[in-house]
Amino acid sequence: DGGITQSPKYLFRKEGQNVTLSCEQNLNHDAMYWYRQDPGQGLRLIYYSQIVNDFQKGDIAEGYSVSREKKESFPLTVTSAQKNPTAFYLCASSMGNRGIRNEQYFGPGTRLTVT
Amino acid sequence: RKEVEQDPGPFNVPEGATVAFNCTYSNSASQSFFWYRQDCRKEPKLLMSVYSSGNEDGRFTAQLNRASQYISLLIRDSKLSDSATYLCAVTTGNQFYFGTGTSLTVIP
Repeated sequence: DGGITQSPKYLFRKEGQNVTLSCEQNLNHDAMYWYRQDPGQGLRLIYYSQIVNDFQKGDIAEGYSVSREKKESFPLTVTSAQKNPTAFYLCASSMGNRGIRNEQYFGPGTRLTVT
Repeated sequence: RKEVEQDPGPFNVPEGATVAFNCTYSNSASQSFFWYRQDCRKEPKLLMSVYSSGNEDGRFTAQLNRASQYISLLIRDSKLSDSATYLCAVTTGNQFYFGTGTSLTVIP
């Protein structure tokens, strides 16, 4: 099956701990994205990557870090510097510059709770 | 000014009704347009792309008005299963912008 997987579905951490969220895709997509969604709010872009070994900050990158060592994988680390980390984290991918319309497809999300 | 704006609703409509959502975008250079559906506590799923000539998929019709810079989604004969949040999205260059979503509840 082709698609985007995120793990785990639910994650609980203590304040002050770094945590890494996994995102893998087997769609042969070039571009990958991380969004955060808070209750009743829209999607906010954290980081995105158009190609391997390159990524750019989105609108709310502070307190987060990413890597893109493989085309298929784009893990997100939520560091202790992120002041309000509890949220629903969504990973997406698209064909990027190879695509005509460049629609994004989402993974099922990881719900992170930090106490 | 936000790149994409939507009326958050909520829209509460009876089963069988026709409902329309609009979404305005600020950049006239935006190239591609989409509607996504998001169920409660789930990820957004692509509902349909929006083409310049308008396009229809069953009970759903999407329209693009470049002159006025808005896209619309029309749902005919609403079903209970249509209850969800509908997000519009536009691409401008390499950037992808989402609206905050419009909540729809279809009432029996």
